[in-house]
Amino acid sequence: NAGVTQTPKFQVLKTGQSMTLQCAQDMNHNSMYWYRQDPGMGLRLIYYSASEGTTDKGEVPNGYNVSRLNKREFSLRLESAAPSQTSVYFCASSATRTEEEYFGPGTRLTVT
Amino acid sequence: GQSLEQPSEVTAVEGAIVQINCTYQTSGFYGLSWYQQHDGGAPTFLSYNGLDGLEETGRFSSFLSRSDSYGYLLLQELQMKDSASYFCAVHQAGTALIFGKGTTLSVSS
Repeated sequence: NAGVTQTPKFQVLKTGQSMTLQCAQDMNHNSMYWYRQDPGMGLRLIYYSASEGTTDKGEVPNGYNVSRLNKREFSLRLESAAPSQTSVYFCASSATRTEEEYFGPGTRLTVT
Repeated sequence: GQSLEQPSEVTAVEGAIVQINCTYQTSGFYGLSWYQQHDGGAPTFLSYNGLDGLEETGRFSSFLSRSDSYGYLLLQELQMKDSASYFCAVHQAGTALIFGKGTTLSVSS
């Protein structure tokens, strides 16, 4: 039981490049989330998916898109990376939107 | 709008008791959670308060007062391994968890 997995662990991009961060969970959870964490800013919600087939914007959605591919997988795409998107990205899942969230190990992204 | 306030840093010594406060302002509130994060690793769930009062889990307790829009996390018998960041997070209707900016706890010997 791996819990929540994220790939890649580290990534360096040049400004304007695109990439997709992958997230998968094996806990049969309905809800999944993407957060970014910057020094002193805590965890800020980018997008979430309350259930398969639905996605909603969080606090900081600009510059990102998401896809809930199936119940297990929730990907985050940066279409044209900017230095302001340098951050640590965490994926999380929960059985329902109101229950405790389980986090993945994070992806450390640097945009130069 | 919504806001959560918690202290940015707290220091304590081993064996002591420390309280981390969290005040919030949000609509559709229905609960307060606490998460722990060690040195940039994955945050992990500590506790949830949906009703007023104290919830105890081993050395950790969490308290909620809805009327005061206030909660706290109480850590007893502090150990070095408790050095970490602690986040309060509000559950509100119609959206996902909203996290505070976190409190860095440093425990010294």
